[in-house]
Amino acid sequence: QVKLLQSGAALVKPGASVKMSCKASGYTFTDYWVSWVKQSHGKSLEWIGEIYPNSGATNFNEKFKGKATLTVDKSTSTAYMELSRLTSEDSAIYYCTMAFDYWGQGVMVTVSS
Amino acid sequence: DIQMTQSPSSMSASLGDTVTITCLASQDIGNYLSWYQQKPGKSPKLMIYGATNLEDGVPSRFSGSRSGSDYSLTINSLGYDDEGIYHCHQYYEYPYTFGAGTKLELK
Repeated sequence: QVKLLQSGAALVKPGASVKMSCKASGYTFTDYWVSWVKQSHGKSLEWIGEIYPNSGATNFNEKFKGKATLTVDKSTSTAYMELSRLTSEDSAIYYCTMAFDYWGQGVMVTVSS
Repeated sequence: DIQMTQSPSSMSASLGDTVTITCLASQDIGNYLSWYQQKPGKSPKLMIYGATNLEDGVPSRFSGSRSGSDYSLTINSLGYDDEGIYHCHQYYEYPYTFGAGTKLELK
């Protein structure tokens, strides 16, 4: 069955960067877009952007351009998202999702000194 | 960006009730609308896609409908397992956007 296994929670200092992973299994990784979604305050969801693993093509929410970088490693069926110049506003849970049908378990990122 | 105005923000209902959650799209999105259920500490789960299509394995008590730019999720015969936050989501146009969520609790 389809599974998306995300990396563990992260505690990072303001101004630093964090890179999280999303390892896919149970489907052909290169055939489906992988999106990343932010959930703040336990309720509202925001789409960050998406990547097509076969080509590396990306689409971003303008709000997250310059903040998020999306990459993939086809050899391990893993998608990555790096968030840079972190502030308290970046503290949230981040999900990866395969075409919005299947979701990872989420990564809690806490930005604190 | 397309705004999805979701209502109510929270609601409380009784076992066996029928409830309806709505999302109003700020512009035409056709049927490119999904509904998700999210339990505490869990990731969202797809319930309805294409505005009216039930995802495999989702009970038939759940249904989606559309009237113009208004989209609705209806849950019949409410059970305790239906508690959670429900999100609507448009995937018609970039950037994809979500409603603010509806927290459903049972009395």
